[in-house]
Amino acid sequence: QITLKESGPTLVKPTQTLTLTCTFSGFSLSTTGVGVGWIRQPPGKTLEWLALIYWDDDKAYSPSLKNRLTILKDTSKNQVVLIMTNLAPEDTATYYCARRRRELLYAFDIWGQGTMVTVSS
Amino acid sequence: DIVMTQTPLSLSVTPGQPASISCKSSQSLLHSDGRTYLYWYLQKPGQVPQLLIYEVSNRFSGVPDRFSGSGSGTDFTLKISRVEAEDVGVYYCMQNIQLGFGPGTKMDIK
Repeated sequence: QITLKESGPTLVKPTQTLTLTCTFSGFSLSTTGVGVGWIRQPPGKTLEWLALIYWDDDKAYSPSLKNRLTILKDTSKNQVVLIMTNLAPEDTATYYCARRRRELLYAFDIWGQGTMVTVSS
Repeated sequence: DIVMTQTPLSLSVTPGQPASISCKSSQSLLHSDGRTYLYWYLQKPGQVPQLLIYEVSNRFSGVPDRFSGSGSGTDFTLKISRVEAEDVGVYYCMQNIQLGFGPGTKMDIK
């Protein structure tokens, strides 16, 4: 069974740094063609992709957030970490991690349950 | 930037009737590799998004065959042949040329 689960703080103050961890099981991020991405969804709004990381350590960032994001993987721990700096109230959202597979043309096929992050003083 | 639009933004469907959602992109989603990077997701109430369709028309594992996708270039359509109560939620199209999601179409049951 393939699962992903996001973890991290639920409340962050403006200007602080957010660190989220995606812990997954049932697949390996060292397998060719596999990636993990972070996507967020503000309350009542559409989805927004943030960052991607692949089996070969290739990375991609949303152009609008690139300067604030860092994505890392720890293959031995089956974890992907997202670091977002200088948080603001508009970063309040549910943050999802999801697997991507080349054989599905890099669709996000399995998603974590999501973690709600509120940015407020 | 590629802008994705969906129409309608909301629809109400009688069970057993068909439904159709349009997704248009501001640029072609046909990649130089010859493949078209368009996907459909459904987010049921209180749930996480689930993959329905990848590469325009390929149903993901376990997706009922009442769901079908079609289109090319910049115009795409998701069709549900006979809507069931469990199909309610928000449908999103996603493109993977520059990676982005449409605004979503909320479907409920009459």
